[in-house]
Amino acid sequence: NAGVTQTPKFRVLKTGQSMTLLCAQDMNHEYMYWYRQDPGMGLRLIHYSVGEGTTAKGEVPDGYNVSRLKKQNFLLGLESAAPSQTSVYFCASSYGGGYTFGSGTRLTVV
Amino acid sequence: GEDVEQSLFLSVREGDSSVINCTYTDSSSTYLYWYKQEPGAGLQLLTYIFSNMDMKQDQRLTVLLNKKDKHLSLRIADTQTGDSAIYFCAENRDNYGQNFVFGPGTRLSVLP
Repeated sequence: NAGVTQTPKFRVLKTGQSMTLLCAQDMNHEYMYWYRQDPGMGLRLIHYSVGEGTTAKGEVPDGYNVSRLKKQNFLLGLESAAPSQTSVYFCASSYGGGYTFGSGTRLTVV
Repeated sequence: GEDVEQSLFLSVREGDSSVINCTYTDSSSTYLYWYKQEPGAGLQLLTYIFSNMDMKQDQRLTVLLNKKDKHLSLRIADTQTGDSAIYFCAENRDNYGQNFVFGPGTRLSVLP
């Protein structure tokens, strides 16, 4: 039982490049979330999903897109990376109560 | 306001008790949570309390809830160096997991 798995763990992008972060959960959770964590700003919700095929915007959605084609996977895409998107990204899933978090992806945009 | 508030830093000596405080905003939140984040890791659920309780104890951890003042605290007894981490409180503002709001986190430093 792996819980929530994020890939990759680290990535360096050049400004303007694109990439996709993958989150996978094996707990059959309906809800999945993408957060970014920046120093002094805590966790900010980017996008979330309440079930397969559904997505919704969170607090800071601009510059990101998401897809939930399969219940167990939640993908976060950056179409044209900007230095302001340098951050640590966390995926989480839940059944409607407490969240289970992945170990994070550290992304640097240069 | 809309924010969940916490002090950003706390330092204690090894063996002392730590008390981390949190003020939340929505009196209808059904569950309140404490998460722990160790360096370079994700957040781990530490404990939670249902809103109809005013105290919950789990080994060295004691959670106190004052609904009237919307105040939540986490007490760690006999604090150890391994307790050094960032502690986040969070409130679940609905029953569907869609409106989960985190505080900014309190960085606990345990001094030898």
